[in-house]
Amino acid sequence: GESVGLHLPTLSVQEGDNSIINCAYSNSASDYFIWYKQESGKGPQFIIDIRSNMDKRQGQRVTVLLNKTVKHLSLQIAATQPGDSAVYFCAEKASGTYKYIFGTGTRLKVLA
Amino acid sequence: DSGVTQTPKHLITATGQRVTLRCSPRSGDLSVYWYQQSLDQGLQFLIQYYNGEERAKGNILERFSAQQFPDLHSELNLSSLELGDSALYFCASSVEGSNTIYFGEGSWLTVV
Repeated sequence: GESVGLHLPTLSVQEGDNSIINCAYSNSASDYFIWYKQESGKGPQFIIDIRSNMDKRQGQRVTVLLNKTVKHLSLQIAATQPGDSAVYFCAEKASGTYKYIFGTGTRLKVLA
Repeated sequence: DSGVTQTPKHLITATGQRVTLRCSPRSGDLSVYWYQQSLDQGLQFLIQYYNGEERAKGNILERFSAQQFPDLHSELNLSSLELGDSALYFCASSVEGSNTIYFGEGSWLTVV
């Protein structure tokens, strides 16, 4: 099926470069954050998460940075590859709640 | 493969009709979430069930209902369908004590 979100902001990156995708979250009470990757026609796939008691967390080729002062989250992808082309969503959840709030998403296009 | 199974993958139906979407969570997961993803709304939380009981409710219309059965699979019922209900409907699941939710591949509903 066609991917949704045709009007998403788009980030175009040259293959091999680093990508930085940003997300502003809304609730200062949110204490848990996740980044998801959604490829065309597929469900969101978990990439990395971070709790509010951390500023930075690293995974394989990905790093998430959290700035609680300005309610900002970023996902850094090192050495971006064609397979990284997808829509990326951040999600937040407040302590004591079960509701995840998703951002609008950013489309990452990797240029060969 | 996240382990969350959704059926059907695609569904086309007429306005005014009723459909049922089915979800089987990952083995061992007691929580099931339903999300709607449309072009102009992003991922919208509809409802969550935990071990058969409704736990959280989001922007779910009165025409929509859901339930979780003793075997933990869940169904989302959409009735009196309107053109604007055309969207991808995702099910996600999580294990108790974990903040991470894992998504299925979605059910693509087209109302004509």
